Amino acid sequence: EADIYQTPRYLVIGTGKKITLECSQTMGHDKMYWYQQDPGMELHLIHYSYGVNSTEKGDLSSESTVSRIRTEHFPLTLESARPSHTSQYLCASSEGYGYTFGSGTRLTVV
Amino acid sequence: QKEVEQNSGPLSVPEGAIASLNCTYSDRVSQSFFWYRQYSGKSPELIMSIYSNGDKEDGRFTAQLNKASQYVSLLIRDSQPSDSATYLCAVNSAGNSGNTPLVFGKGTRLSVIA
Repeated sequence: EADIYQTPRYLVIGTGKKITLECSQTMGHDKMYWYQQDPGMELHLIHYSYGVNSTEKGDLSSESTVSRIRTEHFPLTLESARPSHTSQYLCASSEGYGYTFGSGTRLTVV
Repeated sequence: QKEVEQNSGPLSVPEGAIASLNCTYSDRVSQSFFWYRQYSGKSPELIMSIYSNGDKEDGRFTAQLNKASQYVSLLIRDSQPSDSATYLCAVNSAGNSGNTPLVFGKGTRLSVIA
C-alpha cells in the first residue's frame, strides 16, 4: 500500500511539449525529492524541498521546475520535452533520514 | 563533488551463501548511510540504515560502517533467489538546513543462483 503516489506511471510525448509529473504523499513529510534514473545507472538529484514554499536545485535542475504549495504535493514540470529527457523519474519523501519512493514515472519523448 | 562508489557486479552467489556488498564514499563528513534494494523496473526500497561505526543487524542483513576508512558494507546471510536485485548504497551529510539529500552509488547487481 503506497503512501507516495506518482502519476502518470508511463508517458509517451512528443518533442517540445510541456509536461508535469505529479507526486503526492499522505505521510505529512516535510522533505520531498525528485531523482532521475537511467537503466543501470545511479539516481541523480533534480530538485528537492524541505517544506512549503521551499525548493532547491539539484544536479540536473536546469531544464525543469518544481513547486511546493502544499506539504503533500510536489509536481515536476518540463517546459519543453526533448528526447534527452527520456528516463525514469522517481519522487521520494522523508521524515528524517531514509526515503520512501513512489513507483516512478517512465517518460519517453519521441 | 561527493561520490559514492560501488562495484557494479554482477555478483553471483549460490543459494544459502553469504553475499557481501561494498561501498566507499568520498565525503569525510558523511553522517548517515543507507542500503536500498531495487528490483528490475521497480523503485528502490530501504532495507538498512546505519549511523555509527560498527555492525547493525536486522534479520538476514548486517550493515557494517567504518568511518575512518570511509567504507560501508552489507552482508546478506542465507541468500535466497528472491534477494536477486540491485543494491544501492546512499550517503548524506549534515548541511546548514539539516541533512543534505542522499547521494546514491550506481548499485551492485546481485544474482543468487538456486
